Amino acid sequence: EAQVTQNPRYLITVTGKKLTVTCSQNMNHEYMSWYRQDPGLGLRQIYYSMNVEVTDKGDVPEGYKVSRKEKRNFPLILESPSPNQTSLYFCASSPSAGTGYEQYFGPGTRLTVT
Amino acid sequence: LAKTTQPISMDSYEGQEVNITCSHNNIATNDYITWYQQFPSQGPRFIIQGYKTKVTNEVASLFIPADRKSSTLSLPRVSLSDTAVYYCLVGVTFSGGYNKLIFGAGTRLAVHP
Repeated sequence: EAQVTQNPRYLITVTGKKLTVTCSQNMNHEYMSWYRQDPGLGLRQIYYSMNVEVTDKGDVPEGYKVSRKEKRNFPLILESPSPNQTSLYFCASSPSAGTGYEQYFGPGTRLTVT
Repeated sequence: LAKTTQPISMDSYEGQEVNITCSHNNIATNDYITWYQQFPSQGPRFIIQGYKTKVTNEVASLFIPADRKSSTLSLPRVSLSDTAVYYCLVGVTFSGGYNKLIFGAGTRLAVHP
């Protein structure tokens, strides 16, 4: 089944403890992206990747890192999480950046930083 | 960047047709109009996309007038399972062919028995 998977689905952590949220897609998509969703603010793009080893900042990249060593994986790294990073996170992929209007979203990761 | 305006919420009943209108007065020539659906605690799901006139798929229809300053998503004969948030997006195309999605607040549709 074609899908985008994220792990973990739920995570509660403490301020400053490094964490990684994994994202994987099995559709051989070139383009991948991370969003965060907060009440009243909608979905905002954190980082995106147009292909392996090509990443760039989205609208709210502060406090996050990403890497794209393989086409299928696009992990989101929080080196030193803070409470303002408590949010619902979505990974998404698309066949290419040129077809980026149709993105396939993962199930989401609900992160709580205390 | 193009901005969209759509109703915050709508109510309907099972079996009715629902039309959600979105305004995008500043849409650029090369922008497409895209609609997504999101259920609680799930990722958004692509519904339909169009550039002008009418587009129809197995889920919905999208009507875009000639001036492209608005669009209407039409959901035929809704059921309870269509209760969700619907986002109208005007994608922005940057140089190099990169398309960026900009999500607004969406329209919260509630379908009642």
